[in-house]
This record gives sequence, structure tokens and C-alpha cells, in this order.
Amino acid sequence: KQEVTQIPAALSVPEGENLVLNCSFTDSAIYNLQWFRQDPGKGLTSLLLIQSSQREQTSGRLNASLDKSSGRSTLYIAASQPGDSATYLCAVNRGNTPLVFGKGTRLSVIA
Amino acid sequence: DVKVTQSSRYLVKRTGEKVFLECVQDMDHENMFWYRQDPGLGLRLIYFSYDVKMKEKGDIPEGYSVSREKKERFSLILESASTNQTSMYLCASTIYSNYGYTFGSGTRLTVV
Repeated sequence: KQEVTQIPAALSVPEGENLVLNCSFTDSAIYNLQWFRQDPGKGLTSLLLIQSSQREQTSGRLNASLDKSSGRSTLYIAASQPGDSATYLCAVNRGNTPLVFGKGTRLSVIA
Repeated sequence: DVKVTQSSRYLVKRTGEKVFLECVQDMDHENMFWYRQDPGLGLRLIYFSYDVKMKEKGDIPEGYSVSREKKERFSLILESASTNQTSMYLCASTIYSNYGYTFGSGTRLTVV
């Protein structure tokens, strides 16, 4: 059974710092990896989707990379801002199966 | 942009009540999902559906059922609400498995 782990569970950084969030998964035969952002009490907002044939995706200050052979993905956030404070979740699926989620990393960016 | 709409943001129900949580998507997506989210446990899959009138059990289906009579609507039913079903419920949809998921804004259900 696929398991997704996100470390650290919480992270606090000063504004302007570049940071990396980590995601690892046990079954490397994944189809998609998707990163989400969740603000307190709200639903999930999709940030980046990496499909099976891709190795990375970029959107603005965000860059996500995928290394299937090692079972890892990283989400890089450049020049962090207080508005980036949220919980970041990664999720993977294999073939026609639903996404399996990690428990998230709670990020606080301090002004 | 795809929109997934969950009918209620907050609900308070009594133990033993039958509860309906509604989810509607507006982009003709094939696949729809119900998750619940609890502190320390993350998101767990309750039920999903890949087509109208089709349903599949997820990891924690006990105490729940679902209905998908139309492609755009996927309802989660708590047959007899219990306090351990107090949670955030999240609905999602995707057109195909290799596309990204879109989530609704969630329903915070409290059972008293």
C-alpha cells in the first residue's frame, strides 16, 4: 500500500528565505504527483501537477521536482513571503487509483 | 476554471440523524471523490466514483454511503451520524486519472 511522508511536519522561516519542502513515497510506480496548498479551515488549492513522464514543473516562485527512482519530490519556494504561510500537501496516485496524501508540512513565514 | 461546489461550509447535526453532503462540479468530470480530514490523520478516502451510478469504497467507508445519479453530482450520506464522524469533509473531481484534482472548499461537520 502506498504511503506518503512529508518531513518536516512544521517549518518556520524568515521572510525572503528560499526553502524546500520534502515528500517521499514508498511505491515508485506512480502516475501523478500533485502539490496542494491548504489555508486554515479551507479546501485544497492545486499548485503543481507532475505527470509520469515529467520530472519537474514550475509556476511563478514555485518549482516542484520528481525523482521516481528514489521515491522523492521536492517543492522549492523562492523568496518566501508571509502570504505563503499555509499547509502544503503532496499526493500521488498509480494508474487509475485515487490520490494518496501525505499529512502535510505547515509553513510559517515570519515578516 | 473548474469549480467544485460543496453545498455547506459548516453543518451541525445531532447523533443519529441522517446527513447529506452535496458536491457538484461544473466541467463534466468523470471521476469524483470524498475524503475526510482529521488532525494527525491527514486526508483519508471514503468513497469514489468513476462514472454515473458507479461507486467504489475507499479506505474508510464504514458508516457512509454515496449516490451519483448525475455526472455532475456526488453525494455523501451519513446513515446515522455519530460523534466520531465530526470532521472536515472534502470533495474532489478530475476528468481522468492522469489529470490534476480540483477540490471544493470543504464542509466542516460537527455531530453533537
